[in-house]
Amino acid sequence: ETGVTQSPTHLIKTRGQQVTLRCSSQSGHNTVSWYQQALGQGPQFIFQYYREEENGRGNFPPRFSGLQFPNYSSELNVNALELDDSALYLCASSFNTGNGYTFGSGTRLTVV
Amino acid sequence: KNEVEQSPQNLTAQEGEFITINCSYSVGISALHWLQQHPGGGIVSLFMLSSGKKKHGRLIATINIQEKHSSLHITASHPRDSAVYICAVGGSQGNLIFGKGTKLSVKP
Repeated sequence: ETGVTQSPTHLIKTRGQQVTLRCSSQSGHNTVSWYQQALGQGPQFIFQYYREEENGRGNFPPRFSGLQFPNYSSELNVNALELDDSALYLCASSFNTGNGYTFGSGTRLTVV
Repeated sequence: KNEVEQSPQNLTAQEGEFITINCSYSVGISALHWLQQHPGGGIVSLFMLSSGKKKHGRLIATINIQEKHSSLHITASHPRDSAVYICAVGGSQGNLIFGKGTKLSVKP
């Protein structure tokens, strides 16, 4: 079975730009969660998608949005990038919620 | 106060030492997770437990639900165990609430 794949691995953007990060979930998983991890901190929950619907959201502004596709892959979109958005963005997939998670290797976003 | 607290934040050990990392949480949980993060950023799930004790190789995880406390033990530590170890608990939205992690460095 394949694991979770995230793309791109690294990205540099300018303040004010928009970015799209992608995540392919593990085969058989229908739930995808996105997390933001600032340097030296634990990951913070952005939102979760279950069967193409957002079913949970952390304390992030609306310029953080997402999608889940019929094959359960997912996108994270961030508009109007700010310097503080520089972080590692992690995607995790699971079968339903409350079960084990498989994490991707993350996308490191730098906003300059 | 963070909902998930880990200690210590940093830990340096000599190869072969027995290591303990602690995690305390303040929210009700369905399960607690121990995860390992290497410098590249990828996270690997080590344990998911809701009671008692689990063992995998040299790693042992225990949880005390009444005291809201969990420990991760590494026996006969090795330099390849060097990583950040993160405790996380299940949140009300099906998400994980993470601690800040414990950075472990095992010296040969």
